[in-house]
Amino acid sequence: DQQVKQNSPSLSVQEGRISILNCDYTNSMFDYFLWYKKYPAEGPTFLISISSIKDKNEDGRFTVFLNKSAKHLSLHIVPSQPGDSAVYFCAAFEGGGTSYGKLTFGQGTILTVHP
Amino acid sequence: NAGVTQTPKFRILKIGQSMTLQCTQDMNHNYMYWYRQDPGMGLKLIYYSVGAGITDKGEVPNGYNVSRSTTEDFPLRLELAAPSQTSVYFCASSPPRGGQYFGPGTRLTVT
Repeated sequence: DQQVKQNSPSLSVQEGRISILNCDYTNSMFDYFLWYKKYPAEGPTFLISISSIKDKNEDGRFTVFLNKSAKHLSLHIVPSQPGDSAVYFCAAFEGGGTSYGKLTFGQGTILTVHP
Repeated sequence: NAGVTQTPKFRILKIGQSMTLQCTQDMNHNYMYWYRQDPGMGLKLIYYSVGAGITDKGEVPNGYNVSRSTTEDFPLRLELAAPSQTSVYFCASSPPRGGQYFGPGTRLTVT
């Protein structure tokens, strides 16, 4: 049972344009969401997060939107740069008093930004 | 400040051999994790630890063991390697409910 799904295995965009990466989840107990970026032969690195009490969080070129009713979140990168080419994972924490940082990851989306 | 370090980077094992993947973090995080990533898949949690002396199973623990004798170290043990354990293994650490910091990974092939 895949509780966090990234239905697009890959995305290709032109430099300077917007990249939109999508993520859907099924577990209504998830209350904190994160995006990670992964380059080949490296571990994932934390990019941006959002709590379920918010619907938007911005950090420079990166914005994450959360639609709780649709159980959907998206990561917007504006403007996209060739250095953004990587695999992007969304991940979710389950709340309900759980204190440890157990994350559930999506399958990842490969973003390619063309010069 | 090295963050999370993993050794070895690569390893080839024969079926039935055993090995230990090492993981060390220098951020004084209580929480540590082992994940595996198979091609085209997300990361799946193998084991995690919320502090020294405390470990628990994740989503895919079969075939693995862990120990946590210190805050810094969280080794992952494969006792009888099987081809299904061919994967990339990532160790991570975090503060409570914070973003996880990942090591560079260990690429393991079992033939």
